Amino acid sequence: SQQGEEDPQALSIQEGENATMNCSYKTSINNLQWYRQNSGRGLVHLILIRSNEREKHSGRLRVTLDTSKKSSSLLITASRAADTASYFCATDNYGGSQGNLIFGKGTKLSVKP
Amino acid sequence: KAGVTQTPRYLIKTRGQQVTLSCSPISGHRSVSWYQQTPGQGLQFLFEYFSETQRNKGNFPGRFSGRQFSNSRSEMNVSTLELGDSALYLCASSFHRGQYEQYFGPGTRLTVT
Repeated sequence: SQQGEEDPQALSIQEGENATMNCSYKTSINNLQWYRQNSGRGLVHLILIRSNEREKHSGRLRVTLDTSKKSSSLLITASRAADTASYFCATDNYGGSQGNLIFGKGTKLSVKP
Repeated sequence: KAGVTQTPRYLIKTRGQQVTLSCSPISGHRSVSWYQQTPGQGLQFLFEYFSETQRNKGNFPGRFSGRQFSNSRSEMNVSTLELGDSALYLCASSFHRGQYEQYFGPGTRLTVT
C-alpha cells in the first residue's frame, strides 16, 4: 500500500526556475527520503531527513519535514534540463519490519531548456 | 565501488512460464530488497534478504519468491507468469538492516505476453 502521496503528479517549468514537490504520508516515521528516477531507470537517493529534523540542504536541494502535518517538501533551486525526472518520497516502515521503503506515486518533473 | 547490478536488463516471457532475475549488491552490502514498479501500482516492496534469510515480505502471492547467497547476491523467481507481472523489477542494497538509505540497480524490465 502507498504511504506517501506526492503533489503535484506532474510539474513543468523553465530552466532556472525553482521546483517544489510535496509529499504527505499516513503513519509515524523514523525518517523520510527523496529519490529521483530518470525514465525507466533505477532510483537515485537524493536526501534523507530524520523525524527530529525540520530542514536539510544538499547542493541545490532543500527538504523540509513537518511531522505534525505528516508532510514533506522537496525544493530544487535553479533547475536544469538534467533535473527532468520523476521524484519519489519514501518512508520507512515505522514500528514494523526493517528493510523496506514505502514509496509514493511520484512527481514527474519536466524542465524545459 | 561498483554499483548494484541486475541481470538481465530486459526479458520477454509468455504467460505460464517462470523467470529468474539476479541482483549483485554493492560490495560489502548485506541487505538486499526487491521492488516491483508498474504504472498502476507504483513502487511496491516485494521482499528483503539479510544474511541469506528472508526478513520481510510484501503483499505478493506465493508465485514470487527469492533467495540470497552467502556472497549476498540475490535472485528472485516468479513462477506461472501472468500478464500483470509485466513490470520493472528493482533491486536495492544497503550495508545493514536499519540503514535506511538504499542503493538501487538499473532494474530488469519484464514483459509478459
